[in-house]
Amino acid sequence: EAGVTQSPTHLIKTRGQQATLRCSPISGHTSVYWYQQALGLGLQFLLWYDEGEERNRGNFPPRFSGRQFPNYSSELNVNALELEDSALYLCASSLGQGLAIAKNIQYFGAGTRLSVL
Amino acid sequence: DAKTTQPTSMDCAEGRAANLPCNHSTISGNEYVYWYRQIHSQGPQYIIHGLKNNETNEMASLIITEDRKSSTLILPHATLRDTAVYYCIVRAFNAGGTSYGKLTFGQGTILTVHP
Repeated sequence: EAGVTQSPTHLIKTRGQQATLRCSPISGHTSVYWYQQALGLGLQFLLWYDEGEERNRGNFPPRFSGRQFPNYSSELNVNALELEDSALYLCASSLGQGLAIAKNIQYFGAGTRLSVL
Repeated sequence: DAKTTQPTSMDCAEGRAANLPCNHSTISGNEYVYWYRQIHSQGPQYIIHGLKNNETNEMASLIITEDRKSSTLILPHATLRDTAVYYCIVRAFNAGGTSYGKLTFGQGTILTVHP
């Protein structure tokens, strides 16, 4: 069974540009989560989508946005890129909240490394 | 979510058991203990979780003290591939509010397995 897949693996942008990162969840998973791992800041929660709706977002500015498609894949958009947006962006998926605890384990992809020059 | 405290780093000899402690003295009755690990530049990997009973799976064992204020992740026979950052996370089942859906990662323990 395929795990969470993310694309691209690496992305290089310049300040002010927009970046689009993509995530395909594990088959059957309806929830997708996005995390940012910047150097020295650890893993920080960005966004959570379930059944096409945004359910929660972390403490990030509005230029970080995303969406979830009917097939449960997701994309994260970062507008007006700043140098400090350089980070590893991780996507995770789960069977969704509200289910038995063992079913909402989050499984992570390998990430997209975004470099802003 | 309850705060966790883990040692910054630990060493272990290959083939020996690695015992990684985690303190979560303010844990609530509805909060589970999760362990993930992250091998350099990869995504975090789920290891195990538990509420109050000890748990074991093919990767590790989780020992939770009776008062639930601390836990230990045990890798029974550590290999070089177990070198990683290990994260202990405490989270309520179906946590609501600002904790809804998210995992809160601390700094974790850097485990280095030596030949």
